[in-house]
Amino acid sequence: AQSVAQPEDQVNVAEGNPLTVKCTYSVSGNPYLFWYVQYPNRGLQFLLKYITGDNLVKGSYGFEAEFNKSQTSFHLKKPSALVSDSALYFCAVRDGTGGFKTIFGAGTRLFVKA
Amino acid sequence: KAGVTQTPRYLIKTRGQQVTLSCSPISGHRSVSWYQQTPGQGLQFLFEYFSETQRNKGNFPGRFSGRQFSNSRSEMNVSTLELGDSALYLCASSFTSDVYNEQFFGPGTRLTVL
Repeated sequence: AQSVAQPEDQVNVAEGNPLTVKCTYSVSGNPYLFWYVQYPNRGLQFLLKYITGDNLVKGSYGFEAEFNKSQTSFHLKKPSALVSDSALYFCAVRDGTGGFKTIFGAGTRLFVKA
Repeated sequence: KAGVTQTPRYLIKTRGQQVTLSCSPISGHRSVSWYQQTPGQGLQFLFEYFSETQRNKGNFPGRFSGRQFSNSRSEMNVSTLELGDSALYLCASSFTSDVYNEQFFGPGTRLTVL
């Protein structure tokens, strides 16, 4: 069965510092991994995805994520955080055998302090 | 291009009633998925429709049903509402239901069951 874990409920970082939001996954087939962000009273917005190929994936708003197959992780990173990055971040996974069914992590709330 | 739209945005119902939520995907998108978001359970996959056919289904009781029309618009129905059905219901569309496609989310319908 597919599963996603986001071990931190909340991440606090100062503006200008690098940020990392952690995600680990479990799938039976090849993983297709996604990061989404949710702002208050809004739906989710797509940030980036890993399908295959280069382990470092670059996405929207300066975010990137590194796929690590041996550690089954897909951590979201940004070199320099902005106050406007404060939001709820979701990691999601599909595997090739499960069709389009998408499993989301519990979410990590990011607070960026000025 | 217009985004995913959901109607209504807010809904208040009482236990035992039924409710129908509507979703219009991005023009050209043929896959529509529904999710339930609650503070306790997070984001949970309900079902996915592609070309008027339900392709994938999550672990929800039969009270939750949906359909998709020939113009890709989708409706979700919940019968015999329970207090625990109070949630934000999110609709997401995708160009196809290929596993590597990201989804575009609507703002959600917030359902309150009294």
